[in-house]
Amino acid sequence: SAVISQKPSRDICQRGTSLTIQCQVDSQVTMMFWYRQQPGQSLTLIATANQGSEATYESGFVIDKFPISRPNLTFSTLTVSNMSPEDSSIYLCSVRLRANVLTFGAGSRLTVL
Amino acid sequence: AQSVTQLDSHVSVSEGTPVLLRCNYSSSYSPSLFWYVQHPNKGLQLLLKYTSAATLVKGINGFEAEFKKSETSFHLTKPSAHMSDAAEYFCVVSESTGNQFYFGTGTSLTVIP
Repeated sequence: SAVISQKPSRDICQRGTSLTIQCQVDSQVTMMFWYRQQPGQSLTLIATANQGSEATYESGFVIDKFPISRPNLTFSTLTVSNMSPEDSSIYLCSVRLRANVLTFGAGSRLTVL
Repeated sequence: AQSVTQLDSHVSVSEGTPVLLRCNYSSSYSPSLFWYVQHPNKGLQLLLKYTSAATLVKGINGFEAEFKKSETSFHLTKPSAHMSDAAEYFCVVSESTGNQFYFGTGTSLTVIP
């Protein structure tokens, strides 16, 4: 299975600022997924990032708020822009491998003050 | 349309007693079903998966789940709980193409010494 590294693992940010989360995979993958897990909640898909094309966003998520980059087959970034306390969540990067299994990074725990 | 219902938000068991975490799904297609575990401050780890092979699926750490099509259920069980099993558990369904994954709301398992 793939190993996924996410940075930062956690951060505390001020309202109105932006934070970029990095996701590095140790193998080449076509699709990378970004999820949000709000406190005490399940996972919600933010967007799917394909290399060489724009990310596909789920309902309720927009590119201006969550811009995503996918420069190659092993790396992606998610930016949380103009943060508010409601953005305090765990952000998880995920890839889909053989047998349609999702593998997750350890997550980036974001607290917005 | 796919959906997943985890019937219990919290389950508490004594160490050494059986664990049962319930999951029901709805799916228009032959689904793939998964159970993931999330320990505190960690990412999600795959426990087991069902992909139309044997209906009784064995996973890691002594967990297993049985796919019952007639009941549209995929309950997770373990004969004897261990303290290290205390975590959040997510039931996940995916249609056969694997392009979309639907997460249950999670079940928090507490193990009492």
